[in-house]
Amino acid sequence: GAVVSQHPSWVICKSGTSVKIECRSLDFQATTMFWYRQFPKQSLMLMATSNEGSKATYEQGVEKDKFLINHASLTLSTLTVTSAHPEDSSFYICSADRLAGTDTQYFGPGTRLTVL
Amino acid sequence: QKEVEQNSGPLSVPEGAIASLNCTYSDRGSQSFFWYRQYSGKSPELIMFIYSNGDKEDGRFTAQLNKASQYVSLLIRDSQPSDSATYLCAVKTGNTPLVFGKGTRLSVIA
Repeated sequence: GAVVSQHPSWVICKSGTSVKIECRSLDFQATTMFWYRQFPKQSLMLMATSNEGSKATYEQGVEKDKFLINHASLTLSTLTVTSAHPEDSSFYICSADRLAGTDTQYFGPGTRLTVL
Repeated sequence: QKEVEQNSGPLSVPEGAIASLNCTYSDRGSQSFFWYRQYSGKSPELIMFIYSNGDKEDGRFTAQLNKASQYVSLLIRDSQPSDSATYLCAVKTGNTPLVFGKGTRLSVIA
């Protein structure tokens, strides 16, 4: 159990377009999901914490109007990168906090975004 | 500010040896401790979690926690080339998000 999926696994888009990334917990309910970004050879950077039914909490320096997060159900959170630019090219990874005592975060496989 | 410190490596060990990965954390109130493995170009994969002082074993992996010293480690016995990856230590306090270290790169040499 504890499988998290992401879609798409990779995407290439033109500068100025918007890209939506989906994160789903497949076999458990997750009240909290997290969105990370990772540039090549760098560490994970937490972007935001997403709770089902409420507004996401963004980390300092992350533009909430650029990175729109929606967590509409206990198994789905989406990240939309609006008006993407080449500097937004990165590896975006979501994780879900599994309930039932273990307090453990399970990661999705990631989405590689390339903005031309 | 909560910090998790790891030696960036690379840590090189011969195949079959024991690899020892170390991590220290700054928040004495931290309650849960995790080790993730990340292969290049992939997302992190949970290896183990530990909550109590002492050792916790799972196959070739042993996590060790010493809350008094604010120190957590991961031992990998009989290291294999397939264990070559970056190992991330993560610490959780209450309901706050996991705080990750920058990771230690392990290279197992055949």
